[in-house]
Amino acid sequence: GAGVSQSPSNKVTEKGKDVELRCDPISGHTALYWYRQSLGQGLEFLIYFQGNSAPDKSGLPSDRFSAERTGGSVSTLTIQRTQQEDSAVYLCASSLVSGGSDTQYFGPGTRLTVL
Amino acid sequence: GENVEQHPSTLSVQEGDSAVIKCTYSDSASNYFPWYKQELGKRPQLIIDIRSNVGEKKDQRIAVTLNKTAKHFSLHITETQPEDSAVYFCAASINYGQNFVFGPGTRLSVLP
Repeated sequence: GAGVSQSPSNKVTEKGKDVELRCDPISGHTALYWYRQSLGQGLEFLIYFQGNSAPDKSGLPSDRFSAERTGGSVSTLTIQRTQQEDSAVYLCASSLVSGGSDTQYFGPGTRLTVL
Repeated sequence: GENVEQHPSTLSVQEGDSAVIKCTYSDSASNYFPWYKQELGKRPQLIIDIRSNVGEKKDQRIAVTLNKTAKHFSLHITETQPEDSAVYFCAASINYGQNFVFGPGTRLSVLP
């Protein structure tokens, strides 16, 4: 079946511009996660959605970052007034149920470059 | 909050030897510990996981052990092969999948 998809695969933007990154989780997966991975670094947790519950935004690095998940499916991560330090690969993952079957399946990522 | 440390940061082994990567966590409430393998330019993929009610789990050449008292868990790869070369990440979460915290990763190189 279809895995987690993300778009765009690459995004180059100028400093100060806003960007939107999209994640399509596996159908039926109720949990969705966003991570950031800087070059050669580990995975930094950003935000977590579970069903209709309020998202866990504890990992968002600043108020320039926001995310929403419409209809419990597609999610959009928005970065306003991008800075060069925002350059990274943004990974989305989904899992079937948090608290039961919790294997995360990762998307291919969006490579963001801020010039 | 949870803090996960991982050692070593890089590891080189000869093909056929074993490799061991260790992680420690700080929050005793963590109860789910997955390991991910990330090949160069690819997405992380789950290779094995363990829950806090189990001390060891094996899947062919891969095993994970958990010591809840000491708050550490380890990945063991036996009979390593060149295709095992990748970055390996450990993670810990509370509530079996909520709010994952990842270790910084270990770059494993298996030399032919």
